[in-house]
Amino acid sequence: EAGVAQSPRYKIIEKRQSVAFWCNPISGHATLYWYQQILGQGPKLLIQFQNNGVVDDSQLPKDRFSAERLKGVDSTLKIQPAKLEDSAVYLCASSLDPTAQYFGPGTRLTVL
Amino acid sequence: LAKTTQPISMDSYEGQEVNITCSHNNIATNDYITWYQQFPSQGPRFIIQGYKTKVTNEVASLFIPADRKSSTLSLPRVSLSDTAVYYCLVGSSGAGTALIFGKGTTLSVSS
Repeated sequence: EAGVAQSPRYKIIEKRQSVAFWCNPISGHATLYWYQQILGQGPKLLIQFQNNGVVDDSQLPKDRFSAERLKGVDSTLKIQPAKLEDSAVYLCASSLDPTAQYFGPGTRLTVL
Repeated sequence: LAKTTQPISMDSYEGQEVNITCSHNNIATNDYITWYQQFPSQGPRFIIQGYKTKVTNEVASLFIPADRKSSTLSLPRVSLSDTAVYYCLVGSSGAGTALIFGKGTTLSVSS
Protein backbone atom coordinates (compact mmCIF):
# COMPACT_ATOMS: atom_id res chain seq x y z
CA GLU A 1 0.00 0.00 0.00
CA ALA A 2 1.41 3.38 -0.99
CA GLY A 3 1.93 5.87 1.80
CA VAL A 4 1.13 9.55 2.01
CA ALA A 5 2.99 11.46 -0.68
CA GLN A 6 4.13 15.05 -0.33
CA SER A 7 5.97 17.45 -2.58
CA PRO A 8 8.24 19.23 -2.69
CA ARG A 9 10.47 17.78 0.03
CA TYR A 10 12.38 21.02 0.46
CA LYS A 11 11.64 24.63 -0.37
CA ILE A 12 13.60 27.81 0.23
CA ILE A 13 11.92 31.16 -0.32
CA GLU A 14 12.34 34.74 0.73
CA LYS A 15 9.93 36.42 3.10
CA ARG A 16 6.82 37.86 1.51
CA GLN A 17 6.94 35.28 -1.29
CA SER A 18 4.26 32.66 -1.71
CA VAL A 19 4.62 28.88 -1.57
CA ALA A 20 2.39 25.86 -2.05
CA PHE A 21 2.66 22.30 -0.81
CA TRP A 22 0.92 19.27 -2.23
CA CYS A 23 -0.31 16.11 -0.51
CA ASN A 24 -1.72 12.87 -1.85
CA PRO A 25 -3.23 10.77 0.97
CA ILE A 26 -3.51 7.03 1.24
CA SER A 27 -6.23 5.76 -1.04
CA GLY A 28 -9.56 5.52 0.72
CA HIS A 29 -8.63 7.71 3.66
CA ALA A 30 -11.41 10.24 4.04
CA THR A 31 -9.66 12.38 6.64
CA LEU A 32 -6.65 14.51 5.77
CA TYR A 33 -4.58 16.72 8.06
CA TRP A 34 -1.94 19.41 7.66
CA TYR A 35 0.49 19.94 10.53
CA GLN A 36 3.25 22.44 11.13
CA GLN A 37 6.29 21.19 13.02
CA ILE A 38 8.80 23.72 14.25
CA LEU A 39 12.24 22.39 15.15
CA GLY A 40 12.25 20.81 18.61
CA GLN A 41 8.48 20.74 18.96
CA GLY A 42 5.72 18.28 18.24
CA PRO A 43 3.49 18.68 15.21
CA LYS A 44 0.75 21.29 15.49
CA LEU A 45 -2.50 20.73 13.63
CA LEU A 46 -3.28 23.46 11.11
CA ILE A 47 -6.34 22.06 9.38
CA GLN A 48 -8.35 18.85 9.18
CA PHE A 49 -10.51 17.80 6.24
CA GLN A 50 -13.21 15.15 6.17
CA ASN A 51 -13.56 14.33 2.48
CA ASN A 52 -13.50 17.82 0.96
CA GLY A 53 -15.04 19.63 3.92
CA VAL A 54 -13.13 21.41 6.68
CA VAL A 55 -13.61 19.89 10.13
CA ASP A 56 -11.13 22.00 12.11
CA ASP A 57 -9.09 25.01 11.01
CA SER A 58 -9.00 26.79 14.34
CA GLN A 59 -5.18 27.01 14.38
CA LEU A 60 -4.73 27.99 10.74
CA PRO A 61 -3.47 31.58 10.35
CA LYS A 62 -6.11 32.45 7.84
CA ASP A 63 -4.65 35.82 6.94
CA ARG A 64 -1.78 34.08 5.18
CA PHE A 65 -2.48 30.34 5.08
CA SER A 66 -5.07 28.62 2.94
CA ALA A 67 -5.80 24.99 2.15
CA GLU A 68 -8.12 23.11 -0.11
CA ARG A 69 -8.99 19.53 -0.83
CA LEU A 70 -10.72 19.30 -4.13
CA LYS A 71 -12.67 16.12 -4.92
CA GLY A 72 -11.86 14.78 -1.47
CA VAL A 73 -8.48 13.36 -2.44
CA ASP A 74 -5.38 15.53 -2.98
CA SER A 75 -4.81 18.66 -0.97
CA THR A 76 -2.74 21.81 -1.25
CA LEU A 77 -1.57 24.14 1.50
CA LYS A 78 -0.55 27.65 0.53
CA ILE A 79 1.25 30.40 2.38
CA GLN A 80 1.03 33.93 1.04
CA PRO A 81 2.94 35.99 2.03
CA ALA A 82 5.48 33.93 3.96
CA LYS A 83 7.10 35.18 7.15
CA LEU A 84 10.37 34.14 8.76
CA GLU A 85 8.48 32.33 11.52
CA ASP A 86 6.83 30.07 8.94
CA SER A 87 10.10 28.17 8.61
CA ALA A 88 9.14 24.65 9.64
CA VAL A 89 8.32 21.20 8.36
CA TYR A 90 4.82 20.89 6.97
CA LEU A 91 3.40 17.43 7.44
CA CYS A 92 0.40 15.91 5.75
CA ALA A 93 -1.37 12.93 7.30
CA SER A 94 -4.40 10.86 6.44
CA SER A 95 -6.52 8.37 8.32
CA LEU A 96 -9.60 6.25 8.50
CA ASP A 97 -9.54 6.62 12.31
CA PRO A 98 -8.38 9.96 13.81
CA THR A 99 -6.39 8.14 16.48
CA ALA A 100 -4.27 6.28 13.92
CA GLN A 101 -2.89 8.75 11.42
CA TYR A 102 -0.39 8.03 8.68
CA PHE A 103 2.08 10.79 7.97
CA GLY A 104 3.95 11.74 4.85
CA PRO A 105 7.66 12.65 4.83
CA GLY A 106 6.95 16.36 5.12
CA THR A 107 8.11 19.48 3.32
CA ARG A 108 10.90 21.44 4.95
CA LEU A 109 10.32 25.16 4.36
CA THR A 110 13.02 27.72 4.94
CA VAL A 111 12.03 31.37 4.76
CA LEU A 112 14.96 33.77 4.38
CA LEU B 1 -8.85 17.36 25.28
CA ALA B 2 -6.68 15.31 27.60
CA LYS B 3 -3.10 16.52 28.00
CA THR B 4 -0.17 14.20 28.39
CA THR B 5 3.07 14.49 30.32
CA GLN B 6 6.13 12.45 29.43
CA PRO B 7 9.87 12.78 30.09
CA ILE B 8 11.71 15.10 27.74
CA SER B 9 14.57 12.68 27.18
CA MET B 10 15.86 9.20 28.03
CA ASP B 11 19.15 7.45 27.40
CA SER B 12 19.72 3.75 26.96
CA TYR B 13 22.19 1.21 25.64
CA GLU B 14 21.69 -1.36 22.94
CA GLY B 15 20.01 -4.53 24.11
CA GLN B 16 18.27 -2.95 27.08
CA GLU B 17 14.52 -2.70 27.61
CA VAL B 18 13.24 0.87 27.61
CA ASN B 19 10.05 1.94 29.34
CA ILE B 20 8.61 5.38 28.66
CA THR B 21 5.77 6.43 30.94
CA CYS B 22 3.13 8.94 30.00
CA SER B 23 0.68 10.62 32.40
CA HIS B 24 -2.81 11.52 31.22
CA ASN B 25 -4.80 12.27 34.35
CA ASN B 26 -7.78 13.78 32.51
CA ILE B 27 -8.30 11.00 30.00
CA ALA B 28 -11.93 10.68 28.91
CA THR B 29 -13.93 7.47 28.78
CA ASN B 30 -13.87 7.36 24.98
CA ASP B 31 -10.17 8.19 24.61
CA TYR B 32 -7.62 5.75 23.29
CA ILE B 33 -3.90 5.99 24.03
CA THR B 34 -1.68 6.08 20.99
CA TRP B 35 2.08 6.24 20.63
CA TYR B 36 3.94 7.57 17.65
CA GLN B 37 7.64 7.38 16.76
CA GLN B 38 9.45 10.05 14.76
CA PHE B 39 12.89 9.79 13.21
CA PRO B 40 14.75 12.91 12.03
CA SER B 41 13.53 14.20 8.68
CA GLN B 42 10.50 11.90 8.69
CA GLY B 43 6.89 12.22 9.70
CA PRO B 44 5.63 10.51 12.88
CA ARG B 45 4.84 6.82 12.57
CA PHE B 46 2.02 5.09 14.43
CA ILE B 47 3.48 2.30 16.56
CA ILE B 48 0.86 1.13 19.03
CA GLN B 49 -2.56 1.93 20.47
CA GLY B 50 -4.54 0.69 23.42
CA TYR B 51 -7.57 1.34 25.59
CA LYS B 52 -6.84 -0.68 28.71
CA THR B 53 -4.66 -3.51 30.06
CA LYS B 54 -1.88 -4.62 27.74
CA VAL B 55 -1.34 -4.49 24.02
CA THR B 56 1.61 -6.03 22.22
CA ASN B 57 2.70 -5.92 18.60
CA GLU B 58 5.89 -6.67 16.72
CA VAL B 59 7.40 -3.32 17.70
CA ALA B 60 6.39 -2.61 21.30
CA SER B 61 4.13 -3.29 24.24
CA LEU B 62 1.75 -0.85 25.84
CA PHE B 63 0.76 -1.22 29.46
CA ILE B 64 -2.29 0.64 30.76
CA PRO B 65 -3.37 0.37 34.41
CA ALA B 66 -7.00 0.05 35.40
CA ASP B 67 -7.45 3.76 36.16
CA ARG B 68 -6.01 4.65 32.70
CA LYS B 69 -4.37 7.78 34.09
CA SER B 70 -1.00 6.70 32.77
CA SER B 71 0.50 4.34 30.24
CA THR B 72 3.91 2.82 29.63
CA LEU B 73 5.45 2.14 26.26
CA SER B 74 7.91 -0.72 26.47
CA LEU B 75 10.56 -1.26 23.80
CA PRO B 76 12.31 -4.62 24.22
CA ARG B 77 16.02 -4.90 23.48
CA VAL B 78 16.50 -1.52 21.84
CA SER B 79 18.99 -0.97 19.06
CA LEU B 80 20.67 2.16 17.71
CA SER B 81 17.87 2.45 15.16
CA ASP B 82 15.34 3.00 17.95
CA THR B 83 16.84 6.44 18.57
CA ALA B 84 13.88 8.71 17.90
CA VAL B 85 11.26 10.94 19.47
CA TYR B 86 8.30 9.10 20.97
CA TYR B 87 4.95 10.86 21.37
CA CYS B 88 2.13 9.79 23.64
CA LEU B 89 -1.32 11.02 22.65
CA VAL B 90 -4.85 10.49 23.89
CA GLY B 91 -7.97 11.03 21.86
CA SER B 92 -11.16 9.46 20.65
CA SER B 93 -12.39 8.42 17.26
CA GLY B 94 -15.15 10.98 17.25
CA ALA B 95 -15.52 13.21 14.24
CA GLY B 96 -13.66 16.46 14.61
CA THR B 97 -11.43 15.16 17.37
CA ALA B 98 -7.90 16.42 16.97
CA LEU B 99 -4.78 14.82 18.41
CA ILE B 100 -2.50 17.19 20.30
CA PHE B 101 1.19 16.42 20.10
CA GLY B 102 3.45 17.49 22.97
CA LYS B 103 7.22 17.68 22.70
CA GLY B 104 7.57 13.93 23.09
CA THR B 105 10.39 11.92 24.63
CA THR B 106 13.72 11.90 22.84
CA LEU B 107 15.22 8.45 23.25
CA SER B 108 18.94 8.15 22.60
CA VAL B 109 20.37 4.65 22.29
CA SER B 110 24.12 4.19 22.49
CA SER B 111 26.35 1.24 21.77
